Amino acid sequence: NAGVTQTPKFQVLKTGQSMTLQCAQDMNHEYMSWYRQDPGMGLRLIHYSVGAGITDQGEVPNGYNVSRSTTEDFPLRLLSAAPSQTSVYFCASSYSDTPEFGEQYFGPGTRLTVT
Amino acid sequence: AQSVTQLGSHVSVSEGALVLLRCNYSSSVPPYLFWYVQYPNQGLQLLLKYTTGATLVKGINGFEAEFKKSETSFHLTKPSAHMSDAAEYFCAVSRSGGYNKLIFGAGTRLAVHP
Repeated sequence: NAGVTQTPKFQVLKTGQSMTLQCAQDMNHEYMSWYRQDPGMGLRLIHYSVGAGITDQGEVPNGYNVSRSTTEDFPLRLLSAAPSQTSVYFCASSYSDTPEFGEQYFGPGTRLTVT
Repeated sequence: AQSVTQLGSHVSVSEGALVLLRCNYSSSVPPYLFWYVQYPNQGLQLLLKYTTGATLVKGINGFEAEFKKSETSFHLTKPSAHMSDAAEYFCAVSRSGGYNKLIFGAGTRLAVHP
């Protein structure tokens, strides 16, 4: 199993450009999340999905869109990048939302710089 | 609302010394608590978690944490630090309404010196 994969590893955008951060998992996990990591702030939840076709907003959703058409993929879209979106983005997945089977597996991250 | 405070953004210990990383939480519901470790240029890895039951939780790599409800704390310890423990450590609490919707602390970077 590859686990949780993210592409690209690094990206530089200009203000106003759009892009999609890809996330895929091969563990048949229903639950997937996107977090951003900023220095001194830990990780903050952007968007969340409990299964194909179902998404929900997290703590910092503004400026980001998501959709979940398959169990495996959960892309994060930046429609008009801003310097405030410079961050490291992590995708995570878990089998369920329970203590027994809810352990989250994190991808290696995408480092995004917006100039 | 839930929140997590990690005391000390940087901690430095000598190899073989006790590691103590502090975490205090605020939660309006019984909390689920976690410690994650992040090695350089990698994603997060679960060290240990507290859900219910025994308040002393053992995790991987010799780490353990104790849930103290009266002190709203979940400090992480390891009796003897190893050079390979150098990493950033994050304490997290589950949001109400979602076991794996996590609220993270700001993180503590652990340095281990020979």
